[in-house]
This record gives sequence, C-alpha cells and structure tokens, in this order.
Amino acid sequence: GEDVEQSLFLSVREGDSSVINCTYTDSSSTYLYWYKQEPGAGLQLLTYIFSNMDMKQDQRLTVLLNKKDKHLSLRIADTQTGDSAIYFCAEWRGSYIPTFGRGTSLIVHP
Amino acid sequence: NAGVTQTPKFRVLKTGQSMTLLCAQDMNHEYMYWYRQDPGMGLRLIHYSVGEGTTAKGEVPDGYNVSRLKKQNFLLGLESAAPSQTSVYFCASMSSGNNEQFFGPGTRLTVL
Repeated sequence: GEDVEQSLFLSVREGDSSVINCTYTDSSSTYLYWYKQEPGAGLQLLTYIFSNMDMKQDQRLTVLLNKKDKHLSLRIADTQTGDSAIYFCAEWRGSYIPTFGRGTSLIVHP
Repeated sequence: NAGVTQTPKFRVLKTGQSMTLLCAQDMNHEYMYWYRQDPGMGLRLIHYSVGEGTTAKGEVPDGYNVSRLKKQNFLLGLESAAPSQTSVYFCASMSSGNNEQFFGPGTRLTVL
C-alpha cells in the first residue's frame, strides 16, 4: 500500500511535550512535511525534512526521521493551548502530488 | 499579496442543484489543486492542474468538474449536488520550483 498513517488523537497537558507520529510506506520519498490546520482554517506548512536528514530542529519543533522504519515524528516542546490543531504528515515522491495522512488532532488541556 | 482565496466561504444546496467554487491565487503558481476534507478521512484530492488549460483527475473526481482557463483561477463545479458531497473543500497552489503547497481558507458546503 501507499498510505501515510497517523493516530487520530493526542491529548497533552499544557507545558508538556507532544509527540505526533507518522509512518509512510514509500522509501523513495524525497521530502516529508508537517502541516498544521487550526480550527476553521486551511493547512499551513509547519516544517519539513529532506529524506537525507535524520533530524531537524526549529525553535520548539523537532522532526525526527527514521528511514529504516519509515517513521517520522514531530515533537512540540512546552506545548501551549495555541498548539491545539490538526497536524498532517505528508510525503512527496518526486511528483507534484503529495500523499497526506488523515491528520492527528492535538488537544492541549490546562 | 492575498495568497490563495476561495469563494464562497459557506454554501447550502439542495440535492440536484449546481454550483461553482472559485479558487484564486496571486503568486503566479503553476500547480493548483482541489481537495475535500471529511472527518477522519484527511484530505482527498479531487482534481488538479499543472498549468493553464490543463486539468487531471485525482483520487475522488466523480461528480465534479474543473476548469483552469486562467493561470490564477481554478474552478470546481458540481453539476448535480448530492448529500455525499457535503464537505469542506480546500484549494491549494504550488510553484513548480518547490514543494510547498499554499492552502486557501476552505469552503464549507452542505447539500440537503
């Protein structure tokens, strides 16, 4: 199959770290992306990683890529209520059509 | 620079009615896409276009038609709306020079 899999929900307490996981199936994927969708809005690119990288850090965000296991994760440090959103993992295989996961709803509670 | 805009934001149709959703982008992007988003289903690609005057089918094209007469506009048409087409529709565009898609704010369509 060519699916991108994500768990549907994640609930964390404000101030804790969140880890959102994604698995993909195509080892030829060139880029892997994380998009954020806030309530009532479209998707916005959050961060991405090239397939030849293992890790990328951008302020509170850390992306880890395990190519052997085809596993991608997004860690959000010091999670805030403003981080509550749906997070989509997406892979690109060299064409102009990405494959999206179904999205993980992150719920941050006080 | 408005980015990607969608018209209308909300619409309610009766079964059998027709309508056109308009997507416009001012970034001179070559590629444009129409997706639908349903709970638990993520994003599903309806149609896409790689340039003015060209369109292609995506994952779920049935019941929809598209046109790309101008580079900046991508229209999605429903000729005879069905309740199964109740969804949130997103348009996106992308430059051929990189792999970042820019999304519009969405159109929420309800078909009764």
